[in-house]
Amino acid sequence: NAGVTQTPKFRVLKTGQSMTLLCAQDMNHEYMYWYRQDPGMGLRLIHYSVGEGTTAKGEVPDGYNVSRLKKQNFLLGLESAAPSQTSVYFCASCAPGGAYEQYFGPGTRLTVT
Amino acid sequence: EDQVTQSPEALRLQEGESSSLNCSYTVSGLRGLFWYRQDPGKGPEFLFTLYSAGEEKEKERLKATLTKKESFLHITAPNPEDSATYLCAVQAPVAGNMLTFGGGTRLMVKP
Repeated sequence: NAGVTQTPKFRVLKTGQSMTLLCAQDMNHEYMYWYRQDPGMGLRLIHYSVGEGTTAKGEVPDGYNVSRLKKQNFLLGLESAAPSQTSVYFCASCAPGGAYEQYFGPGTRLTVT
Repeated sequence: EDQVTQSPEALRLQEGESSSLNCSYTVSGLRGLFWYRQDPGKGPEFLFTLYSAGEEKEKERLKATLTKKESFLHITAPNPEDSATYLCAVQAPVAGNMLTFGGGTRLMVKP
């Protein structure tokens, strides 16, 4: 099993450009998450999904959109990138129900100039 | 609002020098407290889940303990391979299994 995979690994955008980050998991998990990690700020939840066709806002959702058209995939979109969105983005997945651990992907390092 | 504070922010140890990392938390009903290890340039890797005060879990040189207000990650006789950032997170009993993370402790073990 590949677990959680993310593409691309690195990306540089100019202010105002758009892009989509792709997350895929092969563990048949219902729940999926997008986080950003910034120095001194820890991991912060952007959006999450509790099942195919559902999405919800996390702690820092502004400037991002998400879609979960297939159970195994969770897409994170930036419609008009800003320098404040320079960060490392992590996707995670989890089984539903009790206190199950989240499994993380390897991350995408995004720089917005 | 759930909050997690980890201390120290950074810790330098000599190989073989045991120590503890602290995770203080406030949460509206703890469903679980999670410890993760994160190596540079990689995603967090799950270590432990603790569910209730008094619980302890061990894995190799690591031992995690839990009280009603904090958790400790004890590292016994560490070696340079234990160098990483250790993250603590709490989960409240809410839909979505969302986690609230602390800022992490960066551990550096020198040979």
